[in-house]
Amino acid sequence: QSALTQEASVSGTVGQKVTLSCTGNSNNIGSYAVGWYQHISHGVPKTVMFGNSPPSGISDRFSGSKSGTTASLTISGLQPEDEADYYCSTWDYSLSTQVFGGGTKLTVL
Amino acid sequence: QVQLQESGPGLVKPSETLSLTCTVSGASISGYYWSWIRQPPGKGLEWIGYVSDSGRTNYNPSLKSRVTISLDTSMNQFSLKLSSVTAADTAVYYCARRTYSAQLDYWGRGTLVTVSS
Repeated sequence: QSALTQEASVSGTVGQKVTLSCTGNSNNIGSYAVGWYQHISHGVPKTVMFGNSPPSGISDRFSGSKSGTTASLTISGLQPEDEADYYCSTWDYSLSTQVFGGGTKLTVL
Repeated sequence: QVQLQESGPGLVKPSETLSLTCTVSGASISGYYWSWIRQPPGKGLEWIGYVSDSGRTNYNPSLKSRVTISLDTSMNQFSLKLSSVTAADTAVYYCARRTYSAQLDYWGRGTLVTVSS
């Protein structure tokens, strides 16, 4: 049982826009910036968004937002190379731990 | 370019201690928290804990009784020890750099550790 809730799977076609969500509570998402991590099978997890700022080198097709206790990652102009597992994560001050979502498997059709 | 590389045995016997080291290159240990995260087969990511640049530690409560994370600043390395392992500890173990704002900005490639006799 993950502290943060993500969709198990999302799919979209090339060129489409998709939004992944991450729901927590006031102790975590409601209080801290959320990181989004792209994990391609057997690869190194990579930060694609932190808060609403993508790290340098990340495509501007990626954008992030937060409303209350739900964070979102939007990918515009979906590309085949975007197919991966996406995890959200932040700090939880009540648990005093880093918490993760269960991950969303993004499939590009 | 910041790089992290995990190293250690890929096979550990039940009840023994799992030991891994993460070597950091391209960056100083100072100013960050150095984390361990794992992913059991077919499951999501689980945070194990971190050590700060001053040696302060914070562990996942579910693992706290079995975990030790330590720092060797002279070698630019940090280590994980997990005692009394069982098959449930079989996972890919990642080391990662955590910023003050809880971003995990650099990760290692991960290393598979299997617990089996």
